[in-house]
Amino acid sequence: AQKVTQAQTEISVVEKEDVTLDCVYETRDTTYYLFWYKQPPSGELVFLIRRNSFDEQNEISGRYSWNFQKSTSSFNFTITASQVVDSAVYFCAATSGSARQLTFGSGTQLTVLP
Amino acid sequence: SAVISQKPSRDICQRGTSLTIQCQVDSQVTMMFWYRQQPGQSLTLIATANQGSEATYESGFVIDKFPISRPNLTFSTLTVSNMSPEDSSIYLCSVGEQGNYGYTFGSGTRLTVV
Repeated sequence: AQKVTQAQTEISVVEKEDVTLDCVYETRDTTYYLFWYKQPPSGELVFLIRRNSFDEQNEISGRYSWNFQKSTSSFNFTITASQVVDSAVYFCAATSGSARQLTFGSGTQLTVLP
Repeated sequence: SAVISQKPSRDICQRGTSLTIQCQVDSQVTMMFWYRQQPGQSLTLIATANQGSEATYESGFVIDKFPISRPNLTFSTLTVSNMSPEDSSIYLCSVGEQGNYGYTFGSGTRLTVV
């Protein structure tokens, strides 16, 4: 079974600041997948990124970047130059070859102030 | 990735009644899941909907309360039975894509029980 911890319950930043959302995962599986989802106030879940356990290459996509470190079991997500539209709840999630269903962290409410 | 149509998007129901939520996928998928998201909380897996057999329920969820049907590889329903105000939540269906561990979510059903 997996466990996903998002220690930050709420984060508030001013527009154009950079913000990093933390995620720590626990699993006994050697092959696993990690995800970040965004949930705006409308309620739908928006997929942001998926990484697998054997690919530690970090990635930048526009204003988003991800830092995956197996040594610290962390999969952190950074928004550069935040915007008001980034305000949402962000969920980190994990699955493995045996589990298949996603296990979600408790979520981080990000508020970007104008 | 798969496209999911989930209905209804929201409903207000009387206590003691039942509501059936439908999830239609535009392609055949092996894995379908139902999640519950209580107000201000993370997503919790209710069950895995299995085609042609009974759903697999997670601890704390029972078939009498949350009966699930999966008549084919593109459709599933979740019924919330004998509702109480504690059932007020967002219910989401999700499909998992074979091989690449991609997960898509429906837009959710926002249920309020009065």
